Amino acid sequence: QVTLRESGPAVVKPTQTLRLTCTFSGFSLTTTGMCVNWIRQSPGKALEWLALIDWGGKKYYSASLRTRLSISNDSSKNQVVLTMANADPADTGIYYCARMAPRGVSLGAFDSWGQGTVVAVSS
Amino acid sequence: DIVMTQSPDSLAVSRGETATINCKSSQSLLYTNNHINHLAWYQHKPGQPPKLLIYWASTRESGIPDRFSGSGSATDFTLSISSLQPEDVAVYYCQQYRSPPYTFGQGTRLEMK
Repeated sequence: QVTLRESGPAVVKPTQTLRLTCTFSGFSLTTTGMCVNWIRQSPGKALEWLALIDWGGKKYYSASLRTRLSISNDSSKNQVVLTMANADPADTGIYYCARMAPRGVSLGAFDSWGQGTVVAVSS
Repeated sequence: DIVMTQSPDSLAVSRGETATINCKSSQSLLYTNNHINHLAWYQHKPGQPPKLLIYWASTRESGIPDRFSGSGSATDFTLSISSLQPEDVAVYYCQQYRSPPYTFGQGTRLEMK
């Protein structure tokens, strides 16, 4: 059974660094084609893709947030960590991690999601 | 970046009728070597994570009722929900995973008339 769970601080102050952890089970991030993504939803807004790390350790970021984001993988703990520098109230929202797995000879979509973690950026 | 545009932003449909949501991408999502479109549809209800409904533009995820169907290719896609049920009230998103960043549409809010 595939599970993902996000964890992190509920509140951070503006300019601080936000660190979120996605702990997963039921799959290996070393499987070819596998990747873990971070997505967020700010209040009243659409889903926003943030970053991914793939089975080979390749990392991709949202163009608008590239300078503030860093994603990493701790394979010994089955965790993917997202850090966001210089937090701003506009970063308030629900942060999700989601798995993208291979399907046959191609990529599947985001087939398993965590429940999300709520983050408020406020002084 | 590939821009995803959904229409309409919201719609209200009567129970038992069909809801149709459109999604347009700024670039083709079709891999010509295997003819697969990397386009997915998700259903998002308050307090829950998004749920994958459709991937490869038209393949239903396991456990999704056949009332949900996807169609289209390259840059134009459609999600149809037939025989609308009260539990289908949600926000629906299309998403491209042709190349990162894996962008979402702005969402379509579906309500019951």
